[in-house]
Amino acid sequence: DAGITQSPRHKVTETGTPVTLRCHQTENHRYMYWYRQDPGHGLRLIHYSYGVKDTDKGEVSDGYSVSRSKTEDFLLTLESATSSQTSVYFCAISESWVAGNEQFFGPGTRLTVL
Amino acid sequence: TQLLEQSPQFLSIQEGENLTVYCNSSSVFSSLQWYRQEPGEGPVLLVTVVTGGEVKKLKRLTFQFGDARKDSSLHITAAQPGDTGLYLCAVRSNTGNQFYFGTGTSLTVIP
Repeated sequence: DAGITQSPRHKVTETGTPVTLRCHQTENHRYMYWYRQDPGHGLRLIHYSYGVKDTDKGEVSDGYSVSRSKTEDFLLTLESATSSQTSVYFCAISESWVAGNEQFFGPGTRLTVL
Repeated sequence: TQLLEQSPQFLSIQEGENLTVYCNSSSVFSSLQWYRQEPGEGPVLLVTVVTGGEVKKLKRLTFQFGDARKDSSLHITAAQPGDTGLYLCAVRSNTGNQFYFGTGTSLTVIP
């Protein structure tokens, strides 16, 4: 299994509070991704990174920011959490950006915003 | 509007039955992937198809990419309880740096 960990695995927070989710990899893969998974919507890309300090927006980036200061860590921050951001968040990594390249997923973080 | 439409959304069958799930789009893609996700875990890649009309087999699973590279199907022969999970198709956008997943087919195989 690809070495990907996410922390925390579960979090309950209140509306308006900042939240940071961490993704850590031991595979030295260049590309890292953050997705959210919601019933009826499947997985949707929030942000991705193609190198240290190189990031870009995904399909549903509003209300989220990311940072990557080291190859192995990719942080997702909700500056002011809202109830609509209650979701399961998955981090993924890949060696290449080529279409068809395999993405390896972490175990997910379940976030509840009250 | 979903780029990838999967059907059926839910499927519950008895062990030993055959089934087919579909992934459809109006767009053309250079490749398409199928992932399986078990409860409480992240998706795991099953296969990548890249050529129109391509058929790939993975034990009892048969994957086909449509001739026009707009759709794909996954056929499972003699389903087993271990096949239970959420089946997702995924593509990379042709026009930008985006990855898209379908909404998934949730399969339950009853022993």
